[in-house]
Formats: sequence, C-alpha cells, structure tokens
Amino acid sequence: AQSVTQLDSHVSVSEGTPVLLRCNYSSSYSPSLFWYVQHPNKGLQLLLKYTSAATLVKGINGFEAEFKKSETSFHLTKPSAHMSDAAEYFCVVSFKAAGNKLTFGGGTRVLVKP
Amino acid sequence: DVKVTQSSRYLVKRTGEKVFLECVQDMDHENMFWYRQDPGLGLRLIYFSYDVKMKEKGDIPEGYSVSREKKERFSLILESASTNQTSMYLCASSRAGTSSTDTQYFGPGTRLTVL
Repeated sequence: AQSVTQLDSHVSVSEGTPVLLRCNYSSSYSPSLFWYVQHPNKGLQLLLKYTSAATLVKGINGFEAEFKKSETSFHLTKPSAHMSDAAEYFCVVSFKAAGNKLTFGGGTRVLVKP
Repeated sequence: DVKVTQSSRYLVKRTGEKVFLECVQDMDHENMFWYRQDPGLGLRLIYFSYDVKMKEKGDIPEGYSVSREKKERFSLILESASTNQTSMYLCASSRAGTSSTDTQYFGPGTRLTVL
C-alpha cells in the first residue's frame, strides 16, 4: 500500500529565510508526486507535480521540489519565505497501479514571522 | 479559470439528521471526488465518480453515500449524521484519463458540525 509521511506537522520561519518541508513516501511502484497548498478558508491549490521527467520540479510562487528515488523523498523548498506563504502544505502521492487515487500526507502548517 | 463550488461554507446539523453536501464544477470534468479533512490526517477519500450515475468507494465510505445525476454535480449524503462526522469536507474534480498525473481541482470546503 502507498503512504506519505510529512515529517513536520508545524514549521516556523522568519520572513526572508529559506523554507524546507519534508516528505517521504513508500511504494513499490513509480509514483507521481504533488505538493498542494491550502490557505486559510480556501481550497487546495496545486503548487507543483513530479511526473517522471526532470527530478527537480519548479512550481508556482518560487517553490521547488526534488524527487530522490534512493531516499523516497520529495522535499519542498523555497529560498526566501514571504508572509503570504503562511498556509498548510500537503504532500500527495498517486500511482497508476492504485487507480490514480491520491494519498495525502498529514500536512505541514507553516508560520512566517515578520 | 477553473471553478469548483460547494453549496455551503459552514453547516451545523443535529445527530440523526440527513445531510446533503453539494458540489458543482464548471470544467466539464468527468471525475469528481469527495474527501474529508481532519487535523493531522490530511485528506481521506470518501467516494469518487468517473461518470454520471457511476460511483466508487474510497478509503472511508462508511456512513456516507453519493449521487451523480449530472456531469457537473456530485452530492455527498450523510444518511444519519453522527458527531464523528464533524469535519471539513472537500470536493474535487479532474479530467478523464488513466494518467496518475492528472491534477485535481478543489472546492473551498464545507465545515460541518454535528451536534
């Protein structure tokens, strides 16, 4: 069975400093991987997705993620946090063999301090 | 611009009531999904539909049913609401296909409280 683990439930950063959100997955198959963001009182928005092309994926709002097969990881980073990055972030995995259903991690809530 | 709308942002119901949550998408998507979101658990799939009048159970279907009479509308039904169904409910849609890379588009959610 596929599973996703987000290693931090909460991350606090200062504005202008780097952001790192960690995600590990488990599966016997080649995955598709996504990061979604949820701002307060809003629906989920896709940040980026990995689809077995380039291992370094660039997304919206300056975020990027690197797929590392050997480490079964897909960590999300941003060089410089902005106040508007305060939100909850979800790492998501999908497998064709599992009917393309999405499996979500537990979420990481990001707090950005001025 | 793609759009998924949900009928209510907040809903308060009593134990035993029948509850309907409605979702409408304007993107002509074939696939529609219902999730519930609970702190620390992420989103969990309740039911999904690949076509009109078609439904499939997700990971946690117990206590729920769904209806899809029209392509753009997907309803989640709680036959007899219970307090453990207090949660945020999110609807999503995606285009048809067999690719695992298809993006799902989410509505804003309905926060349901069952007293």
